[in-house]
Amino acid sequence: DAGVIQSPRHEVTEMGQEVTLRCKPISGHNSLFWYRQTMMRGLELLIYFNNNVPIDDSGMPEDRFSAKMPNASFSTLKIQPSEPRDSAVYFCASSPGAGNTGELFFGEGSRLTVL
Amino acid sequence: SQKIEQNSEALNIQEGKTATLTCNYTNYSPAYLQWYRQDPGRGPVFLLLIRENEKEKRKERLKVTFDTTLKQSLFHITASQPADSATYLCALAHNAGNMLTFGGGTRLMVKP
Repeated sequence: DAGVIQSPRHEVTEMGQEVTLRCKPISGHNSLFWYRQTMMRGLELLIYFNNNVPIDDSGMPEDRFSAKMPNASFSTLKIQPSEPRDSAVYFCASSPGAGNTGELFFGEGSRLTVL
Repeated sequence: SQKIEQNSEALNIQEGKTATLTCNYTNYSPAYLQWYRQDPGRGPVFLLLIRENEKEKRKERLKVTFDTTLKQSLFHITASQPADSATYLCALAHNAGNMLTFGGGTRLMVKP
């Protein structure tokens, strides 16, 4: 298995620009999660999908953040416009879904720097 | 408010000793608790899961305990090795087990 694949691995952009992060979950996994990790706040859940449907987006910081999952093999997290405080590592994780133990399989993350 | 607390200070131990990491939580009733390992620049990797009705779980040199009265989990690595140096995160499952909330992690340094 290729595991969860995220792109880009690193992104440096200027304040006000649009940023799109991409994720391909493990094939057959029904749940997908977006987390953000910073030194100050640790690993925070932003949003999760079950069977491509957003279930809980209460962790999304504000309207500048949006996430989509158009099909079972692809998800995006978009920030528009980006701000320096959005600088963090963004992780995508997938899980087999309902009825399982909830073990998450994480990608390697996308490190975002907003100047 | 809900909190998951791990010692934010790094734990330094000598190779061969047992490392013990602590995870305390408040205002949660987790169905189960998980431990993950994270290396610098990498995503977290699942290690162990323990359910609320289990007291202890073992996997090779790893042992996890779960005390729902104390609201605490302990994570032990016996016969520690420099390769065990990493950050260890605990995570609580809630919302019918569909969501995981993570603690801040504890960095472990094992010196040869």
